Amino acid sequence: GAVVSQHPSRVICKSGTSVKIECRSLDFQATTMFWYRQFPKKSLMLMATSNEGSKATYEQGVEKDKFLINHASLTLSTLTVTSAHPEDSSFYICSARDRGWLGAPQHFGDGTRLSIL
Amino acid sequence: KQEVTQIPAALSVPEGENLVLNCSFTDSAIYNLQWFRQDPGKGLTSLLLIQSSQREQTSGRLNASLDKSSGRSTLYIAASQPGDSATYLCAVRDTGSNFGNEKLTFGTGTRLTIIP
Repeated sequence: GAVVSQHPSRVICKSGTSVKIECRSLDFQATTMFWYRQFPKKSLMLMATSNEGSKATYEQGVEKDKFLINHASLTLSTLTVTSAHPEDSSFYICSARDRGWLGAPQHFGDGTRLSIL
Repeated sequence: KQEVTQIPAALSVPEGENLVLNCSFTDSAIYNLQWFRQDPGKGLTSLLLIQSSQREQTSGRLNASLDKSSGRSTLYIAASQPGDSATYLCAVRDTGSNFGNEKLTFGTGTRLTIIP
């Protein structure tokens, strides 16, 4: 089945540090990848949609300069949390959809637990 | 704006019982609906995807139904096992979602505990 790999699984760093999270589709090509954020005991909130070769589309209220997204190839998207602060601590999950057909499901990575001290 | 609700928020049942999880959505103009499983501290595992033209999908002990007109979906788990313990999330994709920008709206999930 379709596999999405997300790395790292956990990050602990000091306030002011920039953190990069990678999302890879291992056995399929993904024109579109998605980045979600999940607070404790809450549901997933879409942050942005990453399109290969073009700028990401951000949801309302998500700071573009804070959460930089790059989708350089059909199998890799990265999310960089710039100058992270404690309020950025959260669980970040990426997903990818097979480019093959519009109705294909999104496949999710295992998430990244980000803790800013 | 699409809103997805899952009730109950938590459910505990003895091993072996059949159970039903509920998902409701406010806007019936959906493209598809997906059920996921999330283990603590982990990502999401897709369980079943129902296209808007379908009424149900089955995979092993799982059966998901969709009643688009009433804005409801159910996930039926037969002969529950302790390994089924997890949080179950449903998510809908609206028909207004354009190619390459298809937003999923998630419910808050049902935390299921199967008691051995």
